[in-house]
Amino acid sequence: RKEVEQDPGPFNVPEGATVAFNCTYSNSASQSFFWYRQDCRKEPKLLMSVYSSGNEDGRFTAQLNRASQYISLLIRDSKLSDSATYLCVVNIIAPGGKLIFGQGTELSVKP
Amino acid sequence: DTGVSQDPRHKITKRGQNVTFRCDPISEHNRLYWYRQTLGQGPEFLTYFQNEAQLEKSRLLSDRFSAERPKGSFSTLEIQRTEQGDSAMYLCASSGGLAGGDTQYFGPGTRLTVL
Repeated sequence: RKEVEQDPGPFNVPEGATVAFNCTYSNSASQSFFWYRQDCRKEPKLLMSVYSSGNEDGRFTAQLNRASQYISLLIRDSKLSDSATYLCVVNIIAPGGKLIFGQGTELSVKP
Repeated sequence: DTGVSQDPRHKITKRGQNVTFRCDPISEHNRLYWYRQTLGQGPEFLTYFQNEAQLEKSRLLSDRFSAERPKGSFSTLEIQRTEQGDSAMYLCASSGGLAGGDTQYFGPGTRLTVL
């Protein structure tokens, strides 16, 4: 079993749609959680950290359920510029530990 | 540009050759990481330095791979006797510093193709 598993993609949605990404992780000792965004042939960039209380940044909402070892990302009113691969990431030892990435879910937003 | 930089950006080599990649982290960051990413997969951890000390190495890092960070600033990753399976994007990231930030910032990567 992979340490971090994400929904298989790709997701193809029209502009303005709401899209949700799901992720599960296997190590209950995981300390910190993130969503990274990766554009085609570019490096991953931090989109947002994920907290147990849930957090929102504009059109993006992330949720963490430690009991279920489940992480989600919701994108509302999707834009063409949201097209990218979204990577679910956990860190077992924080601060300073290695990041463990899911395989990524590709999102394509169409006009 | 004060971000993480990597050199070269692309490397094409023949099987059996040695290659070396360089990473320059964000200047105040004391932690430096190497990851490898193949097509359709997320990055996989290779190794990690805090200052000049190499604190962790993945089982993915065979004897042909070696990484150094001699003065706690830039790092090099060397692959000896390259194999076609080594073809991947090699990503460097850095974090830490005076503020103790945990966010890892990635460089643009070195894309290795082994023929």
